[in-house]
Amino acid sequence: NAGVTQTPKFQVLKTGQSMTLQCAQDMNHEYMSWYRQDPGMGLRLIHYSVGAGITDQGEVPNGYNVSRSTTEDFPLRLLSAAPSQTSVYFCASSYGGEVAKNIQYFGAGTRLSVL
Amino acid sequence: DAKTTQPTSMDCAEGRAANLPCNHSTISGNEYVYWYRQIHSQGPQYIIHGLKNNETNEMASLIITEDRKSSTLILPHATLRDTAVYYCIVRVASDDKIIFGKGTRLHILP
Repeated sequence: NAGVTQTPKFQVLKTGQSMTLQCAQDMNHEYMSWYRQDPGMGLRLIHYSVGAGITDQGEVPNGYNVSRSTTEDFPLRLLSAAPSQTSVYFCASSYGGEVAKNIQYFGAGTRLSVL
Repeated sequence: DAKTTQPTSMDCAEGRAANLPCNHSTISGNEYVYWYRQIHSQGPQYIIHGLKNNETNEMASLIITEDRKSSTLILPHATLRDTAVYYCIVRVASDDKIIFGKGTRLHILP
């Protein structure tokens, strides 16, 4: 049981490049979400999903796309990276709803630099 | 979600109890209080949650006032490894959006 796995751990991009941050969980959680964390700040919600085929926007969705084709995976796509997207990205999952009081489990993070 | 107010930072001596306050004066009857912490560069980690009764687990205790407008997370014997940012979150368990504030940066002093 690996929990929430994020890949890659580190990534450097040039402005305008695209990439996908991967997130996978093996706990059969319905709810998954993506956060970004800038230096000295708290976590900000980017996008979230309450189940396969369902996604919604969080606090800071601009510049990011998501899809949820399976319960296990929730990739985050940057279509045209900008320096403002330099950040640490965390993926989280939980059962959702009232099950286990929706306690979230987080991955180790992806550190992204956009030059 | 109800808003929470936490001090920006706190210090605690190693071996002493660390008491982290959180104000949530607009909390609704069905909203829980959750605590997470984030040790430097790592993903946040769940600590404890409660509705109205005090709660204790192997990591910490959670004391919620009778009017539920504030709570305190207690780390009974703080160690250097407890140095982290602690987040207090108030929400209905079934909320889809889970929003983090800025938290309290706890420094454990040797």
